[in-house]
Amino acid sequence: AQSVTQPDIHITVSEGASLELRCNYSYGATPYLFWYVQSPGQGLQLLLKYFSGDTLVQGIKGFEAEFKRSQSSFNLRKPSVHWSDAAEYFCAVGPPSGAGNNRKLIWGLGTSLAVNP
Amino acid sequence: DTEVTQTPKHLVMGMTNKKSLKCEQHMGHRAMYWYKQKAKKPPELMFVYSYEKLSINESVPSRFSPECPNSSLLNLHLHALQPEDSALYLCASSQDDRAVQPQHFGDGTRLSIL
Repeated sequence: AQSVTQPDIHITVSEGASLELRCNYSYGATPYLFWYVQSPGQGLQLLLKYFSGDTLVQGIKGFEAEFKRSQSSFNLRKPSVHWSDAAEYFCAVGPPSGAGNNRKLIWGLGTSLAVNP
Repeated sequence: DTEVTQTPKHLVMGMTNKKSLKCEQHMGHRAMYWYKQKAKKPPELMFVYSYEKLSINESVPSRFSPECPNSSLLNLHLHALQPEDSALYLCASSQDDRAVQPQHFGDGTRLSIL
């Protein structure tokens, strides 16, 4: 079965500390991989995506993610967290191509990030 | 800057009312989406429009009726909603729908059903 697991429901870090949010997936083939962020009261924003090529992907707001095929993981990282990074983070996977409902994204349940001053 | 604009931001309606949610984008994207999101949950896909035609309907109840008048606009008409329909409704867009991978989201309409 296709699934996305974000093992950490809630994480708290201090401002200036490094951050890693975990994402593991189960999928038949190598999917396209995404991280979205949702700040309180707002819609989702696409942070970064991996389609192919270099397994270290740079995104917006200083985030990066590394695709590890052997571990079926796509973890999100940031070297120094800012208070404005407090938000809900969703990992999602989807097919590079397909038909019908197979084209849909499969979402993780999200990780809620709190940042201490 | 939000490139997908949704109105209204908040909506309270009774179960017998008829209302509409509106979404607009001017990025030239040819795929537009409606999602429903409950608190602390990932968004759930409802509808996908591709080149102004409905391409995916995720078995959404008929009390939700989407409409795509042109390539920039997407509406969601609401009628006889139930309390469990209270949620954040998000519109999104992408260049095309070869894969259902939204690139830009609006800030949503927070809907409350009395």
